[in-house]
Amino acid sequence: GAVVSQHPSRVICKSGTSVKIECRSLDFQATTMFWYRQFPKQSLMLMATSNEGSKATYEQGVEKDKFLINHASLTLSTLTVTSAHPEDSSFYICSARPRQGPRYNEQFFGPGTRLTVL
Amino acid sequence: SQQGEEDPQALSIQEGENATMNCSYKTSINNLQWYRQNSGRGLVHLILIRSNEREKHSGRLRVTLDTSKKSSSLLITASRAADTASYFCATDARGYSTLTFGKGTMLLVSP
Repeated sequence: GAVVSQHPSRVICKSGTSVKIECRSLDFQATTMFWYRQFPKQSLMLMATSNEGSKATYEQGVEKDKFLINHASLTLSTLTVTSAHPEDSSFYICSARPRQGPRYNEQFFGPGTRLTVL
Repeated sequence: SQQGEEDPQALSIQEGENATMNCSYKTSINNLQWYRQNSGRGLVHLILIRSNEREKHSGRLRVTLDTSKKSSSLLITASRAADTASYFCATDARGYSTLTFGKGTMLLVSP
């Protein structure tokens, strides 16, 4: 149980285009989802916290107009990288926190999405 | 800024040996978690230890937490080549499951 999927797993796009990444909790409901980015051989940096039905909370230094987050249901959150540039190339990972149950304090991570902007 | 700092940054051992990784953090925490990441993949949750716990076991994993020193250690006993991965500690300090990750330790276990 507690499986989180991401789609796509890998995307290559041209500079200036927008890219949407989906994060789904497959077998549980998640009131909160988190978006991270990870540069090669570095740690995960939290970008934003997404709560179902409300606006996302962005970490300091993360442009909310650049990284649009929508959490429309208890099982789906999307991250849209708008007008992507090569410096946005990174590994984007989402996680989901269960709405209830004995593991509600834990985060379950998706497999990540590799974004390459040419 | 990152909360956790792991050491060593990289560790290379032989199969069968034990691997110990350490994590230090700066502020009070609700819990500390250890994750594993295979190259280019997502994270796998290994173990969670709460601030009022001192030691926890799960299979070949042993985690300790010393809140007075703001440090934790992860011990993997009888390591296997399949344990090769990066290991991260993450702290939940804000009280609503927002995690702050350390820089990680890259573990290489040679057959």
